[in-house]
Amino acid sequence: IAGITQAPTSQILAAGRRMTLRCTQDMRHNAMYWYRQDLGLGLRLIHYSNTAGTTGKGEVPDGYSVSRANTDDFPLTLASAVPSQTSVYFCASTPEQGAITGELFFGEGSRLTVL
Amino acid sequence: QQQVKQSPQSLIVQKGGISIINCAYENTAFDYFPWYQQFPGKGPALLIAIRPDVSEKKEGRFTISFNKSAKQFSLHIMDSQPGDSATYFCAASMTGNTPLVFGKGTRLSVIA
Repeated sequence: IAGITQAPTSQILAAGRRMTLRCTQDMRHNAMYWYRQDLGLGLRLIHYSNTAGTTGKGEVPDGYSVSRANTDDFPLTLASAVPSQTSVYFCASTPEQGAITGELFFGEGSRLTVL
Repeated sequence: QQQVKQSPQSLIVQKGGISIINCAYENTAFDYFPWYQQFPGKGPALLIAIRPDVSEKKEGRFTISFNKSAKQFSLHIMDSQPGDSATYFCAASMTGNTPLVFGKGTRLSVIA
């Protein structure tokens, strides 16, 4: 089934540790996004990539980095995790046309707890 | 500055009733307004969307009403069912590869 795969599904992490959340899509979408979802705050954009080789900062980029070496993969890295990064992280993608229409396809999410 | 303001934060509706969720935006350059539906443990999924050239769009029991002059849009769920219980997000974007901006979400509970 085509779609977005995120890994891990959930993770408990000690503060100060490095963590990479993986995201892979098989829809050949150009644009990909990372959002974090927190109760009462909705979905907030962390980083995005309009096409392979390019990235951009979203609303809450501090403490996170991304790379887009190819079309399919868009990993999110926390260099030194802090408790405020405890959240549910969603990867999403959209075809180039979809970027105009706005339709995003989301993964199932990665629940991260930083202690 | 919150670009898309959504209300209410939570909503309880009787089965068969009408659920109404409202959103307001500031940026007049926004030209695409989707609503996303999210069930527990799942990622959000597109429910319905509207562009500002129309004032209303209906798909089954779901209707978006759009008021360009007031910079507001709303989601109406007619004949609400327990299966509609979910979190709903409004969003907005502008043409040209700009990311969607989401509201904070409304948790809807439809009770029998």
